Amino acid sequence: DTAVSQTPKYLVTQMGNDKSIKCEQNLGHDTMYWYKQDSKKFLKIMFSYNNKELIINETVPNRFSPKSPDKAHLNLHINSLELGDSAVYFCASSQDETSDQETQYFGPGTRLLVL
Amino acid sequence: GQQVMQIPQYQHVQEGEDFTTYCNSSTTLSNIQWYKQRPGGHPVFLIQLVKSGEVKKQKRLTFQFGEAKKNSSLHITATQTTDVGTYFCAGPTRGSTLGRLYFGRGTQLTVWP
Repeated sequence: DTAVSQTPKYLVTQMGNDKSIKCEQNLGHDTMYWYKQDSKKFLKIMFSYNNKELIINETVPNRFSPKSPDKAHLNLHINSLELGDSAVYFCASSQDETSDQETQYFGPGTRLLVL
Repeated sequence: GQQVMQIPQYQHVQEGEDFTTYCNSSTTLSNIQWYKQRPGGHPVFLIQLVKSGEVKKQKRLTFQFGEAKKNSSLHITATQTTDVGTYFCAGPTRGSTLGRLYFGRGTQLTVWP
C-alpha cells in the first residue's frame, strides 16, 4: 500500500488554466506539507497543515490555495497557471508537528508543465 | 534568515571512489536528517542525528553531526552505481515553527561504472 499518494503524476496544461493536485496519506499522520522542487532540485516548502489547520504558509502567490478536508488529505489548487509554476510538487506527511524530531514521508510527486 | 547550506552541488565519481557531502547551518539545529532522492523519484528518509558529535553508520554510509550542532556530513565509502541520486540534509532550527524543515540544496551524485 502506498503511504503517501498524489494525483495526477503528470500534468501538462496551458498558461492561464486552473488545476488541482490531490494528496492522501494512510499513515495516520497529523501533519501534511506541500513542497515545490525546481529544475535544480531545490526543495522549497510552500504550506503545512496540522489536523486541517494551516501552520506554515511561506511566501507563495495567492494563486496557490491549499485545502485540507481532513487530516489524511491535503489538496493544492492553482489558479491562472504561469510558466514559472512548472516544477515537481511533492506532498509529504509527518506524525506530529509538536515534535521537532519527526521525519517526513514524501509522495511520488506531480510533474507540472505549463506551456 | 535561517539557511542550511550544502556543498558540493554536484559530484561525479568513478565507481569505487569515496564521496562526501557537507551541510552547514547558520543557526543551531535541533537535529539533522538526511534524505536521498533517486533520479525521477521522491526524497526518502535515510537517517536522523540528534546528539552533538553523533556518528551513525549504515553499511557504506557514515553520517556525522557536529559538536556545535551546526554542521553535518554524509560520507559514502566505495561508491556503487546504486548510490546515484541527490542527497539532501534537512533540519529544524531552534525556535523555528515545529515541523518546519530547512532543506539544503542537495548534492547530486553521479557514479560512473
